[in-house]
Amino acid sequence: QSALAQPPSASGSPGQSVTISCIGSSTDVGAYNYVSWYQQSPGKAPKLIIYEVYKRPSGVPDRFSGSKSGSAASLTVSGLQGEDEADYYCSAYAASGDIWVFGGGTRLTVL
Amino acid sequence: QVHLVESGGGAVQPGGSLRLSCEVSGFKFTDYGMHWVRQAPNRALQWVAFMKYDGTGKFFADSVTGRFTMSRDQPKNILYLHLNSLTVEDTAMYYCAKDLFYASGALGDWGQGTLVTVSS
Repeated sequence: QSALAQPPSASGSPGQSVTISCIGSSTDVGAYNYVSWYQQSPGKAPKLIIYEVYKRPSGVPDRFSGSKSGSAASLTVSGLQGEDEADYYCSAYAASGDIWVFGGGTRLTVL
Repeated sequence: QVHLVESGGGAVQPGGSLRLSCEVSGFKFTDYGMHWVRQAPNRALQWVAFMKYDGTGKFFADSVTGRFTMSRDQPKNILYLHLNSLTVEDTAMYYCAKDLFYASGALGDWGQGTLVTVSS
């Protein structure tokens, strides 16, 4: 069982927006702003799309945005495109035990 | 340009050992933290290990503590993950990844992975 809880699936039509949640606790998501999001296409390595809750690495479209409220983080993908179909993982710093933890992943389907 | 290439994976029996390598280029070990992350078949990502930029601190997931170790060969730009006392639960694709900073946990660059299969 993953330390961070994500919905197993999400979907939306092209052009729509979809939000994926990532529920942690007061010792990880709620304690630090070290929340990251990754996009993984089948057979490929993950790609960082959001770090430190809301920051985007160079080259990541601004259709991807991140936020956090308490122990819950969210990734929003706006203006859905077919190429956004992938698995999405959140990650957070936990400071003890497994000091970095991942969510169980969310498969995003573009209808 | 940053590049990471893992190698050393393969098939091993339970209780066996392997040494994974991650050869890096385009940056200096001494400037960034380095991580290992694994992914069992059709499963989620799991953080495995982290080495501080200066090599002084090493941290491991509870599930591998005491069995896995990390080292690096700075002149050769190679990071190692030593896997011991392997169990079937260690079967996974193992990725090495470079932290964006010293220890943010934001993994900005990844290798292509090396597959470890533990089976009798």
